[in-house]
Formats: sequence, structure tokens, C-alpha cells
Amino acid sequence: NAGVMQNPRHLVRRRGQEARLRCSPMKGHSHVYWYRQLPEEGLKFMVYLQKENIIDESGMPKERFSAEFPKEGPSILRIQQVVRGDSAAYFCASSRLAPDLWNEQFFGPGTRLTVL
Amino acid sequence: GQQVMQIPQYQHVQEGEDFTTYCNSSTTLSNIQWYKQRPGGHPVFLIQLVKSGEVKKQKRLTFQFGEAKKNSSLHITATQTTDVGTYFCAVIRQGGSEKLVFGKGTKLTVNP
Repeated sequence: NAGVMQNPRHLVRRRGQEARLRCSPMKGHSHVYWYRQLPEEGLKFMVYLQKENIIDESGMPKERFSAEFPKEGPSILRIQQVVRGDSAAYFCASSRLAPDLWNEQFFGPGTRLTVL
Repeated sequence: GQQVMQIPQYQHVQEGEDFTTYCNSSTTLSNIQWYKQRPGGHPVFLIQLVKSGEVKKQKRLTFQFGEAKKNSSLHITATQTTDVGTYFCAVIRQGGSEKLVFGKGTKLTVNP
């Protein structure tokens, strides 16, 4: 049973370009979360999605960032017109059930985004 | 919102010494989770604590949840170089969608 898959593992973009980060949750998991981690810092929640629905996007910047989790295919985190401050590691996690008392999240290997 | 303060931010020990990291909250927590992230790696779930005063052990790791459910600790006995990494606590932020809120982590380095 494959774990959470993320690609690409490393992504380099120039300022103003678009970045697309993909996440395939573990088999049987319908809850997906995206986190951002700056160097030497903790994980910051960005968005929580279920299939075809955004449940909570309170941690996501209102401009340039969007996320989706279509009925078929991986979850996508899209960053338009990237700036240097977007350089970070972006982790996707998935869980079988909603985030409640008995549920752990499984993390993917992350995408390291570098904006030149 | 529900936040957790994690201390210390960094800890450097000699191999064989013990290590402890603490998480503190101003509000009562429903549960707390601990994750470990190796350098260059991704967070890996270690354990979840739910009950007041709960103590759980995993080999050399001891996890404790305070009686008031406002603090938690992770203690490693006789550290090894394989223990190197950043240890995060995380809590469910209730209300709304209930998402995980992570502490800033304690980065552990072990000198062989």
C-alpha cells in the first residue's frame, strides 16, 4: 500500500511563473491537507479538502493560491505569479477519516519549491 | 485560536544523555499528537494522547499528557544519533473544520 505521493519533489520557478504541486493520498483516504514549512520553522496549515470540496482554507493566502481535490486524480496546490517568499517545503497529508480524536495524518515527502 | 508553545526550540546533547521537549497550552486540550521529522524528511506520526495523566512508552520514548490536559512532554532516554530530528506536538483546533495545529518544534542534535 503506497504512502502519500507528492510530485515533483523539487520545483524551481522564476518570479511570476506558476507552480503546480500534486498530491495523491493514501489508498482509501478521502481527506487531504496541505501545509507549508519555511526553513527552520514548523508546519503551517493551509487548506483541508475532501473530494471535490474545500472544507477549510483559512490558512491559505487569499491571493495567488488555490487548491482542488477533484473526483478523479490528485489534489493540486496551485501558486500563481510566484514570489521569492513562496520558497518553502509544501507537505501534503491524508487521513482516512475527518480530523478527530482517533485519526492520524500521513505525510507525503513534500515538494521543495525554490523561487529564483 | 488554540495554540501550543513548544520548548526548547533547539537542544543539543551528547549521545547517551536524556532529552525532553515540552508542549504547553493556555486552554484545555482534547488530545495531543507527536510527530518526528528527520532532517530533509517529512513528519511521521509517533503517538496520540487523549486521557488526562496518560503516559505511553515506545522503547526509549516516553510521552506524557498532563493531568489538566494543558501540557505534554516527550522524553527520550539515552539518546542515539538516530534520534536526530525535529519533534513536533500537534493539537486539534476545534471549532469549524477541526484541523491540526502544530507547535514550532524542538530540533534535536546528538553529538556522537
